[in-house]
Amino acid sequence: GAVVSQHPSRVICKSGTSVKIECRSLDFQATTMFWYRQFPKKSLMLMATSNEGSKATYEQGVEKDKFLINHASLTLSTLTVTSAHPEDSSFYICSAPTILMGPPEAFFGQGTRLTVV
Amino acid sequence: AQSVTQLGSHVSVSEGALVLLRCNYSSSVPPYLFWYVQYPNQGLQLLLKYTSAATLVKGINGFEAEFKKSETSFHLTKPSAHMSDAAEYFCAVSEWTGNQFYFGTGTSLTVIP
Repeated sequence: GAVVSQHPSRVICKSGTSVKIECRSLDFQATTMFWYRQFPKKSLMLMATSNEGSKATYEQGVEKDKFLINHASLTLSTLTVTSAHPEDSSFYICSAPTILMGPPEAFFGQGTRLTVV
Repeated sequence: AQSVTQLGSHVSVSEGALVLLRCNYSSSVPPYLFWYVQYPNQGLQLLLKYTSAATLVKGINGFEAEFKKSETSFHLTKPSAHMSDAAEYFCAVSEWTGNQFYFGTGTSLTVIP
């Protein structure tokens, strides 16, 4: 199957700093990527849909200025958590859907554990 | 609009016992249905998917799921639980474009030795 690589897998940052998370589709082009946030023992919460070459679509309640998304190429989307605070600590997961190999399927990155101290 | 409901946020089974994780969907059009598994601190891995071919779908690690249109269900089963099956399981639905996936709230499976 297709591979989505997410980096870093774990990051610890100081409060007030910014953190960038990268999501790459390694063997297919992804015009769309999804960014999720997952709280402990909870399901995936869709934060935004990243669209190559255009602005991301944010879900209601997600701060656009806090979570900056850039989808500059067909294989790379980035999520930048700006001015991070402890409440931003969470597990962030990216996903890229593809229908290139038949019916749609979502491929997930390994996730990024963000801890803001 | 599409949505997925997973009944039971926590399921415990004994090792060797049947695993049954429930998923019901609502969709205005024939959907694609998926089951994903998530191990701690990892992303989601596809277990199996229904794409309007056979209604009984076999996946990895001995799991299978049956699409029942009349019941709008896509329950996940495994005849004999293994300790390594302990994980979080998510049911998801997508329409044909794949531009949106809707996930259930997840079911945490515990396997008791």
